[in-house]
Amino acid sequence: AQSVTQLDSQVPVFEEAPVELRCNYSSSVSVYLFWYVQYPNQGLQLLLKYLSGSTLVKGINGFEAEFNKSQTSFHLRKPSVHISDTAEYFCAVSSFSGGYNKLIFGAGTRLAVHP
Amino acid sequence: NAGVTQTPKFQVLKTGQSMTLQCAQDMNHEYMSWYRQDPGMGLRLIHYSVGAGITDQGEVPNGYNVSRSTTEDFPLRLLSAAPSQTSVYFCASSPRTGGEGANVLTFGAGSRLTVL
Repeated sequence: AQSVTQLDSQVPVFEEAPVELRCNYSSSVSVYLFWYVQYPNQGLQLLLKYLSGSTLVKGINGFEAEFNKSQTSFHLRKPSVHISDTAEYFCAVSSFSGGYNKLIFGAGTRLAVHP
Repeated sequence: NAGVTQTPKFQVLKTGQSMTLQCAQDMNHEYMSWYRQDPGMGLRLIHYSVGAGITDQGEVPNGYNVSRSTTEDFPLRLLSAAPSQTSVYFCASSPRTGGEGANVLTFGAGSRLTVL
């Protein structure tokens, strides 16, 4: 069975500082990995995804993530955060079977950017 | 605007009452799913469907029923609501195979349910 562990439930950071949100996964098969963001009182939207190819994936809003198969990790990074990045971030894993994508989510990391 | 529409946005129920959360998408997506979001637990998959007439259970299906009579609609039914079902519910859809789009879920805005 697949599972996702987000190692930090909350990450406080000052504006313009770098940030890393950590995600580890477990799976016995090849996986696809995602980061979604949820702004207050909204649904989830895709930040970035890893399907295959380059292990460094760039997403929207200046975020990037690196897939590390040996460490089964998919950490999310941003070199300089803004107040507007305050949100909850979810790491998710799926195996693409039969043409469909059944996502399993981590518990989420709440990023709080302070001025 | 194209997307996933959920209704109602807010609902308060008493224990034992029944209700249906509606989900509709206009993107002709074959795959639809329901998640619940609880603090500290992320999103957990309740039920999903890979096409009209086909549904299956996710991680936490107990207490919920679904059906898929059309491609567009995927309602979630609570037959006898319990306080443990107080949560925020999200519907999500995606296309089938055919490229990278098949791997991206489009989420609705959510339905907040409180069971007293």
